[in-house]
This record gives sequence, structure tokens and C-alpha cells, in this order.
Amino acid sequence: DAMVIQNPRYQVTQFGKPVTLSCSQTLNHNVMYWYQQKSSQAPKLLFHYYDKDFNNEADTPDNFQSRRPNTSFCFLDIRSPGLGDAAMYLCATSRVARGTFNYYEQYFGPGTRLTVT
Amino acid sequence: AQKITQTQPGMFVQEKEAVTLDCTYDTSDPSYGLFWYKQPSSGEMIFLIYQGSYDQQNATEGRYSLNFQKARKSANLVISASQLGDSAMYFCAMREGLRGDTNAGKSTFGDGTTLTVKP
Repeated sequence: DAMVIQNPRYQVTQFGKPVTLSCSQTLNHNVMYWYQQKSSQAPKLLFHYYDKDFNNEADTPDNFQSRRPNTSFCFLDIRSPGLGDAAMYLCATSRVARGTFNYYEQYFGPGTRLTVT
Repeated sequence: AQKITQTQPGMFVQEKEAVTLDCTYDTSDPSYGLFWYKQPSSGEMIFLIYQGSYDQQNATEGRYSLNFQKARKSANLVISASQLGDSAMYFCAMREGLRGDTNAGKSTFGDGTTLTVKP
């Protein structure tokens, strides 16, 4: 089945120790997103790739970076995790068709729960 | 101002009854899409239903229907015949932009409603 895969599902890192979360998709979607979600809150968009174009949200801390080496993979790098970065990180994909009025749903991965000690 | 407002932090419904989850939105774009997602305690967000701003009819998907009132800017989710497995957090989301070009498909999410189905 086509899907969005996130690894690892659970990640424990130390304060200040860089960590990378990964996301892969078999849907061949052109847009990939990274969200941060804290308990019982709405997902907060950190950034997204529209094809190869990187789009950062204005309030995303510099501590968060992303890479998309190809259509299928996208990585979230947290350079120096703080205690406040402990959260669920959700990767999502979508088709976005330029020049059309079509709006397609997002497909989400199962998330990576990050703990910072 | 919030673009998506879900006024019900928590809702309870008896099994087999119908329930309506409220969502109001704010946009000046004539072209937008409205989505509902379900997030069980496992964490994965699951797409439920979509309504486009130009759609003439309310969307339906199985037990889910969307009560779309464009003039009132509301897009309430109706779940019929609730099941215990419907217990989850439900998010309303909006994607704006003319012809999908602007905002590159970004969605704005509401704060969610936690639905509990009682046996």
C-alpha cells in the first residue's frame, strides 16, 4: 500500500545533541510537510517542500532544518534540541496541482515522538 | 484572528447516536478547501472528508457528512451512528489560495475537538 513512513517512531535525545527524523513516501506526492504537535494541540507547520522549493514558516526556529534529497525522502534536523522541542513530529504529503482549483488532502505518517532528556 | 475555530474542546456522544462537531473559518480567498481529520490516541492523522469552496453539494463519505454553510463560513462535521472507535481528536483544516499556486498547499488547522463515544 502506498504510504508515508516515519522513522523512528520514538526518539530519545539529550539536551543539545543533534537529532534527525526521517520521512519517506511511496505516494509520489510533490509536497512534503513537517509539523510539530504538542499534547492536545493543533499541528504546527514548521516548513514544507513544494517540489524542490523549500518554504520555511516565519516562526520556525533556526534550530530546525530540513532536507529533501529526492521526491521520496524528507528529513527534519534539530541541531540543538531543547526541552521545549519535545513533541510529536508529523510528516505529511500532498499533491498540489499548480493552476487548478483542486485541493487534495494530506496524508500523514504515524509520527515520531521526540523526548529530550 | 484565528483562521479556523473549533469551539468545542470536548464532546460526548452515546454510541449509535449522531454528533456534530463545529468548525468556522475565516478567509478572504474565494477559492479554498476545507478538510476534516481524525487523530486517534495512536497519533496518526487520518483524512475523513473534504469540501471545496465551489462545491455545490455538501460532501459525504460513509458515516461522515459535512454541513457546509458558505455564507456563515461554517463547515461542521456530522458523524452518524457513532461507534466506540470514533473516539478521537478531530481537526478541521483549511487550505487557501487561488488555483493552488499560493501558499503551496499549506493547511491551517483548528485546535481540535476531542470526541468521546460512550457505550
